[in-house]
Amino acid sequence: DIVMTQSPDSLAVSLGERATINCKSSQSVLYTPNRRNYLAWYQQKPGQPPKLLLYWASARESGVPDRFTGSGSGTDFTLTINGLQAEDVALYYCQQYFTTPKTFGQGTRVEV
Amino acid sequence: EVQLVESGGGVVQPGGSLRLSCATSGFSFRSFWMSWVRQAPGKGLEWVANIDEDGSVTRSVDSQKFTISKDNARDSVHLEMNGLRVDDTAVYYCTREGGDLLPSSHWGQGTHVTVSS
Repeated sequence: DIVMTQSPDSLAVSLGERATINCKSSQSVLYTPNRRNYLAWYQQKPGQPPKLLLYWASARESGVPDRFTGSGSGTDFTLTINGLQAEDVALYYCQQYFTTPKTFGQGTRVEV
Repeated sequence: EVQLVESGGGVVQPGGSLRLSCATSGFSFRSFWMSWVRQAPGKGLEWVANIDEDGSVTRSVDSQKFTISKDNARDSVHLEMNGLRVDDTAVYYCTREGGDLLPSSHWGQGTHVTVSS
């Protein structure tokens, strides 16, 4: 199985500032023939199911604000929240869907 | 609007079995892969199993414990769980996947499963 490791486990950011979450996979999730990284990011607020934010490492799901940006390739990825809003307080998970089982990182808690 | 509504959770003794169901609406069910993802109390997410559009291809983290099935006539997906252990206690989410190698774009609210004597 591909192991996904996120860092940090939690971070506190002032409103309006930038939050950066890292995600590392134990093997590459880049499929060379189509040059796509099989990596997604989810947001989970308390008492709610996760919500898909980004897929293909950097493509925003419909309706996701552009302050959420994904980057990286191969084994190292980053989720950046530019200009943190109060409603962004949540847990964030990365997931590889390059192969099954589609493993998740352990999660990163973002607080204000 | 895509809707996924799980049911069938509850309390079961160790070694027991349970069948979860997910009723769907708002999309062409027979055109999508479906999956189950679970979350133990205070823990992260764990992908459990998925199934292809017509129910002929299934994948699971533990094929002895989890059996996923799809009823395209009733727009529903099920998860049979056997030999349950205390560490199977979790919220089980039904999700719609974009495809075989695509993430979960839609999630239900989840159903709670507690394994306890």
